[in-house]
Amino acid sequence: NAGVTQTPKFRVLKTGQSMTLLCAQDMNHEYMYWYRQDPGMGLRLIHYSVGEGTTAKGEVPDGYNVSRLKKQNFLLGLESAAPSQTSVYFCASSFKETQYFGPGTRLLVL
Amino acid sequence: GENVEQHPSTLSVQEGDSAVIKCTYSDSASNYFPWYKQELGKRPQLIIDIRSNVGEKKDQRIAVTLNKTAKHFSLHITETQPEDSAVYFCAATPRSGKLIFGQGTELSVKP
Repeated sequence: NAGVTQTPKFRVLKTGQSMTLLCAQDMNHEYMYWYRQDPGMGLRLIHYSVGEGTTAKGEVPDGYNVSRLKKQNFLLGLESAAPSQTSVYFCASSFKETQYFGPGTRLLVL
Repeated sequence: GENVEQHPSTLSVQEGDSAVIKCTYSDSASNYFPWYKQELGKRPQLIIDIRSNVGEKKDQRIAVTLNKTAKHFSLHITETQPEDSAVYFCAATPRSGKLIFGQGTELSVKP
Protein backbone atom coordinates (compact mmCIF):
# COMPACT_ATOMS: atom_id res chain seq x y z
CA ASN A 1 0.00 0.00 0.00
CA ALA A 2 1.31 3.44 -0.93
CA GLY A 3 -0.94 5.12 1.67
CA VAL A 4 -1.45 8.80 0.84
CA THR A 5 0.51 10.27 -2.05
CA GLN A 6 0.72 13.84 -3.37
CA THR A 7 1.73 15.29 -6.71
CA PRO A 8 3.81 17.37 -7.30
CA LYS A 9 6.38 17.52 -4.51
CA PHE A 10 7.47 21.07 -5.31
CA ARG A 11 6.22 23.81 -7.60
CA VAL A 12 7.06 27.43 -8.33
CA LEU A 13 4.28 29.65 -9.70
CA LYS A 14 4.08 33.24 -10.78
CA THR A 15 1.35 35.45 -9.32
CA GLY A 16 -1.89 34.90 -11.23
CA GLN A 17 -1.03 31.43 -12.54
CA SER A 18 -3.23 28.46 -11.78
CA MET A 19 -2.41 24.92 -10.75
CA THR A 20 -3.92 21.74 -9.35
CA LEU A 21 -2.50 19.61 -6.57
CA LEU A 22 -3.42 15.94 -6.61
CA CYS A 23 -3.90 13.74 -3.57
CA ALA A 24 -4.47 10.01 -3.87
CA GLN A 25 -5.12 7.35 -1.22
CA ASP A 26 -5.38 3.58 -1.55
CA MET A 27 -6.85 2.85 1.90
CA ASN A 28 -10.50 3.15 0.83
CA HIS A 29 -10.99 6.06 3.25
CA GLU A 30 -14.19 8.08 3.05
CA TYR A 31 -12.76 11.29 4.50
CA MET A 32 -10.08 13.41 2.83
CA TYR A 33 -8.62 16.77 3.81
CA TRP A 34 -6.37 19.55 2.53
CA TYR A 35 -4.25 21.54 4.98
CA ARG A 36 -1.70 24.26 4.65
CA GLN A 37 1.25 24.57 7.02
CA ASP A 38 2.94 27.88 7.69
CA PRO A 39 5.67 28.61 10.28
CA GLY A 40 4.20 29.10 13.75
CA MET A 41 0.63 28.48 12.53
CA GLY A 42 0.33 24.73 12.79
CA LEU A 43 -1.87 22.95 10.27
CA ARG A 44 -4.92 24.82 9.03
CA LEU A 45 -7.78 23.09 7.23
CA ILE A 46 -8.55 24.46 3.75
CA HIS A 47 -11.29 22.11 2.49
CA TYR A 48 -12.40 18.60 3.25
CA SER A 49 -14.61 15.84 1.87
CA VAL A 50 -16.74 13.26 3.67
CA GLY A 51 -17.22 11.10 0.59
CA GLU A 52 -17.09 10.89 -3.17
CA GLY A 53 -18.85 13.85 -4.78
CA THR A 54 -18.92 15.95 -1.59
CA THR A 55 -16.75 18.86 -0.45
CA ALA A 56 -16.93 21.40 2.35
CA LYS A 57 -15.06 24.50 3.49
CA GLY A 58 -12.56 24.43 6.29
CA GLU A 59 -10.90 27.20 8.26
CA VAL A 60 -9.08 28.97 5.38
CA PRO A 61 -10.92 28.19 2.09
CA ASP A 62 -10.56 31.52 0.26
CA GLY A 63 -8.59 31.33 -2.99
CA TYR A 64 -8.90 27.53 -3.25
CA ASN A 65 -11.32 25.09 -4.84
CA VAL A 66 -11.53 21.32 -4.51
CA SER A 67 -13.12 18.35 -6.22
CA ARG A 68 -13.68 14.72 -5.22
CA LEU A 69 -14.86 12.98 -8.37
CA LYS A 70 -13.40 9.63 -7.32
CA LYS A 71 -13.23 8.25 -3.80
CA GLN A 72 -9.47 7.79 -3.94
CA ASN A 73 -8.61 11.27 -5.27
CA PHE A 74 -8.97 14.75 -3.82
CA LEU A 75 -7.84 17.70 -5.95
CA LEU A 76 -6.93 21.16 -4.69
CA GLY A 77 -7.00 24.00 -7.20
CA LEU A 78 -5.58 27.50 -7.14
CA GLU A 79 -7.26 29.57 -9.84
CA SER A 80 -5.10 32.68 -9.50
CA ALA A 81 -2.11 32.15 -7.25
CA ALA A 82 -1.02 34.87 -4.81
CA PRO A 83 2.24 35.18 -2.80
CA SER A 84 0.17 34.62 0.38
CA GLN A 85 -0.46 31.08 -0.86
CA THR A 86 3.22 30.21 -0.57
CA SER A 87 3.11 27.32 1.87
CA VAL A 88 3.48 23.60 2.36
CA TYR A 89 0.27 21.76 1.50
CA PHE A 90 -0.61 18.45 3.13
CA CYS A 91 -3.36 16.10 2.17
CA ALA A 92 -4.76 13.60 4.66
CA SER A 93 -7.32 10.84 4.69
CA SER A 94 -9.18 8.99 7.42
CA PHE A 95 -11.65 6.18 8.05
CA LYS A 96 -12.77 7.59 11.40
CA GLU A 97 -10.89 10.13 13.51
CA THR A 98 -7.29 9.10 12.84
CA GLN A 99 -5.87 11.03 9.90
CA TYR A 100 -2.97 9.83 7.77
CA PHE A 101 -0.94 12.44 5.96
CA GLY A 102 0.69 12.59 2.55
CA PRO A 103 4.31 13.72 2.08
CA GLY A 104 3.37 17.32 1.27
CA THR A 105 3.70 19.73 -1.63
CA ARG A 106 5.93 22.77 -1.25
CA LEU A 107 4.50 25.70 -3.24
CA LEU A 108 6.30 28.96 -3.88
CA VAL A 109 4.36 31.82 -5.47
CA LEU A 110 6.52 34.65 -6.79
CA GLY B 1 -14.67 29.59 18.25
CA GLU B 2 -12.93 26.26 18.39
CA ASN B 3 -9.23 26.48 19.13
CA VAL B 4 -6.33 24.55 20.62
CA GLU B 5 -3.49 26.30 22.43
CA GLN B 6 -0.13 24.52 22.70
CA HIS B 7 2.83 25.33 24.97
CA PRO B 8 5.73 25.72 24.90
CA SER B 9 6.56 26.65 21.31
CA THR B 10 10.15 25.47 21.78
CA LEU B 11 11.61 23.02 24.29
CA SER B 12 15.23 22.00 24.76
CA VAL B 13 16.20 19.09 27.00
CA GLN B 14 19.27 16.97 27.68
CA GLU B 15 19.28 13.40 26.46
CA GLY B 16 17.74 11.17 29.10
CA ASP B 17 15.58 13.91 30.61
CA SER B 18 11.79 14.03 30.34
CA ALA B 19 9.83 16.42 28.11
CA VAL B 20 6.27 17.64 28.66
CA ILE B 21 4.11 19.48 26.13
CA LYS B 22 0.74 20.89 27.15
CA CYS B 23 -2.40 21.74 25.19
CA THR B 24 -5.72 23.30 26.11
CA TYR B 25 -8.91 23.15 24.07
CA SER B 26 -12.01 25.32 24.01
CA ASP B 27 -14.91 23.00 23.09
CA SER B 28 -15.95 20.82 26.02
CA ALA B 29 -17.59 18.41 23.53
CA SER B 30 -14.19 17.47 22.09
CA ASN B 31 -13.72 13.72 22.32
CA TYR B 32 -10.57 12.72 20.43
CA PHE B 33 -7.04 14.00 21.05
CA PRO B 34 -4.18 12.83 18.80
CA TRP B 35 -0.52 13.79 18.93
CA TYR B 36 1.57 14.01 15.77
CA LYS B 37 5.35 14.09 15.35
CA GLN B 38 6.82 15.87 12.35
CA GLU B 39 10.49 15.51 11.52
CA LEU B 40 12.14 18.16 9.38
CA GLY B 41 10.85 18.04 5.81
CA LYS B 42 8.58 15.06 6.52
CA ARG B 43 4.87 14.49 6.96
CA PRO B 44 3.13 14.58 10.38
CA GLN B 45 2.84 11.07 11.81
CA LEU B 46 0.52 9.93 14.57
CA ILE B 47 2.42 8.82 17.67
CA ILE B 48 -0.36 8.43 20.23
CA ASP B 49 -3.99 9.38 20.73
CA ILE B 50 -6.54 9.37 23.54
CA ARG B 51 -10.31 9.48 23.70
CA SER B 52 -12.39 11.40 26.19
CA ASN B 53 -13.44 8.30 28.12
CA VAL B 54 -9.81 7.61 29.11
CA GLY B 55 -7.65 9.66 31.50
CA GLU B 56 -4.22 8.34 30.54
CA LYS B 57 -2.60 6.23 27.85
CA LYS B 58 0.97 5.00 27.62
CA ASP B 59 3.06 3.52 24.82
CA GLN B 60 6.65 2.72 25.82
CA ARG B 61 8.37 6.06 26.48
CA ILE B 62 5.44 8.28 25.55
CA ALA B 63 2.25 8.92 27.47
CA VAL B 64 -0.69 11.24 27.17
CA THR B 65 -2.90 12.49 29.99
CA LEU B 66 -6.31 14.14 29.67
CA ASN B 67 -8.10 16.38 32.17
CA LYS B 68 -11.60 16.94 30.82
CA THR B 69 -12.63 19.24 33.64
CA ALA B 70 -9.77 21.63 32.96
CA LYS B 71 -9.93 20.98 29.21
CA HIS B 72 -6.26 20.23 28.84
CA PHE B 73 -4.12 17.30 27.77
CA SER B 74 -0.39 16.69 27.83
CA LEU B 75 2.28 14.63 26.09
CA HIS B 76 5.02 13.15 28.25
CA ILE B 77 8.22 11.73 26.76
CA THR B 78 10.57 9.98 29.18
CA GLU B 79 14.24 9.09 28.67
CA THR B 80 14.47 11.38 25.67
CA GLN B 81 16.80 10.49 22.82
CA PRO B 82 18.23 12.65 19.99
CA GLU B 83 15.84 10.97 17.55
CA ASP B 84 12.93 12.44 19.53
CA SER B 85 13.95 15.86 18.16
CA ALA B 86 11.06 17.05 15.98
CA VAL B 87 8.01 19.29 15.97
CA TYR B 88 5.08 17.88 17.93
CA PHE B 89 1.47 18.87 17.27
CA CYS B 90 -1.51 18.25 19.48
CA ALA B 91 -5.03 18.28 18.08
CA ALA B 92 -8.60 17.98 19.25
CA THR B 93 -11.86 17.02 17.57
CA PRO B 94 -14.62 19.40 18.68
CA ARG B 95 -18.35 18.98 17.97
CA SER B 96 -17.80 20.12 14.36
CA GLY B 97 -15.96 16.85 13.80
CA LYS B 98 -12.89 18.44 12.20
CA LEU B 99 -9.45 18.21 13.78
CA ILE B 100 -8.15 21.48 15.20
CA PHE B 101 -4.35 21.57 15.57
CA GLY B 102 -2.18 23.37 18.07
CA GLN B 103 0.62 25.61 16.84
CA GLY B 104 3.34 23.03 17.42
CA THR B 105 6.29 22.54 19.80
CA GLU B 106 9.82 22.24 18.47
CA LEU B 107 11.59 19.74 20.72
CA SER B 108 15.37 19.63 20.69
CA VAL B 109 17.15 16.81 22.55
CA LYS B 110 20.81 17.57 23.12
CA PRO B 111 23.22 14.61 23.38
